[in-house]
Amino acid sequence: KAGVTQTPRYLIKTRGQQVTLSCSPISGHRSVSWYQQTPGQGLQFLFEYFSETQRNKGNFPGRFSGRQFSNSRSEMNVSTLELGDSALYLCASSLGGGSDTQYFGPGTRLTVL
Amino acid sequence: EDQVTQSPEALRLQEGESSSLNCSYTVSGLRGLFWYRQDPGKGPEFLFTLYSAGEEKEKERLKATLTKKESFLHITAPKPEDSATYLCAVYSEGTSYGKLTFGQGTILTVHP
Repeated sequence: KAGVTQTPRYLIKTRGQQVTLSCSPISGHRSVSWYQQTPGQGLQFLFEYFSETQRNKGNFPGRFSGRQFSNSRSEMNVSTLELGDSALYLCASSLGGGSDTQYFGPGTRLTVL
Repeated sequence: EDQVTQSPEALRLQEGESSSLNCSYTVSGLRGLFWYRQDPGKGPEFLFTLYSAGEEKEKERLKATLTKKESFLHITAPKPEDSATYLCAVYSEGTSYGKLTFGQGTILTVHP
């Protein structure tokens, strides 16, 4: 069974631009969670989607948004990029969320100049 | 709010030297504890899920155990390829959907 895939793997943007990251979950998984990973803060939860609905959101500004499509694929968008948004963005999929095991993709490395 | 603390922050072992990593947690009703391995620049790789105190899981040189306050990841006769960051995460009944709370990780280096 194919794992979680994320595109693109690397991105370089400048301050003020916006970016869209994509995540394809494991087949049959309906929950997709997004995390930001930085050396200082570790892994921090951004939001979770299930059946095209955002069920949970972490403590991030409104510049961070996402959506999920009917095939469970998910995208996250960051508008008006800041230098501090440079990070590894990870998505994880699970069967239904909750206490189900989350399986992570390889991540998208975003660098903001 | 859920809290997860991992120790030590870094651990250096000689090949074949067994040791344990610790994950202490404070949650309101544990629903699941997860161990992941992460190599530099890559996404976390799932290792184990533990659901209740007393539970143990094994995979090759790794064994995870769970008590009501902490979890241990025991590494027996490690090899250099076991070098990675090991992450512990929890999901609790006080948590809303899809959110895992992670510890800061233990960086393991195994020298040949």
